[in-house]
Amino acid sequence: DGGITQSPKYLFRKEGQNVTLSCEQNLNHDAMYWYRQDPGQGLRLIYYSQIVNDFQKGDIAEGYSVSREKKESFPLTVTSAQKNPTAFYLCASSMRRDTEAFFGQGTRLTVV
Amino acid sequence: QQQVKQSPQSLIVQKGGISIINCAYENTAFDYFPWYQQFPGKGPALLIAIRPDVSEKKEGRFTISFNKSAKQFSLHIMDSQPGDSATYFCAASKRYSSASKIIFGSGTRLSIRP
Repeated sequence: DGGITQSPKYLFRKEGQNVTLSCEQNLNHDAMYWYRQDPGQGLRLIYYSQIVNDFQKGDIAEGYSVSREKKESFPLTVTSAQKNPTAFYLCASSMRRDTEAFFGQGTRLTVV
Repeated sequence: QQQVKQSPQSLIVQKGGISIINCAYENTAFDYFPWYQQFPGKGPALLIAIRPDVSEKKEGRFTISFNKSAKQFSLHIMDSQPGDSATYFCAASKRYSSASKIIFGSGTRLSIRP
């Protein structure tokens, strides 16, 4: 089945630790996105990538990093520089010339 | 210019009633306006979308009304059901742009009372 897979579903991080959230898609989509969702704040764009080996900062990129070495993969690293990382993280993808976005099921990150 | 403003933040509707969520945008270059539905703990899923060359699009109980001159669009859910209880996001984007990205509204939490 085609779709977007995010893992893990739940992730716990200790203070000062870096963690990496996985996002894989088999839809052959060119564009991939990472969003952060906090209660009452909607979806905020962290990073996006239109093609392999290229990515752009979104509205809240500080404390996050990404890579796009393969078309189907767009991992997000939440670094220790992100002061308030507890949130629900959503990965999405779309065809480069078609902006219908398909979302994964999300990863809930909690700092303990 | 890149914002999409959505209202209300939350909405309670009786079963069988009409749910109405409104959005307004500023950037006249936007030419694709989707609505997403999100259930708790899940990712959003595309519900219905419209392009500015039409004023209305209907799919089952869901209708988008689009007012290009006012730069506003709205989602109407007819005969609202408890299963429609979810968070709804409007969005806007510019198709066929090499740097396209989707701008989301802040979301509306809809609760349908049985």
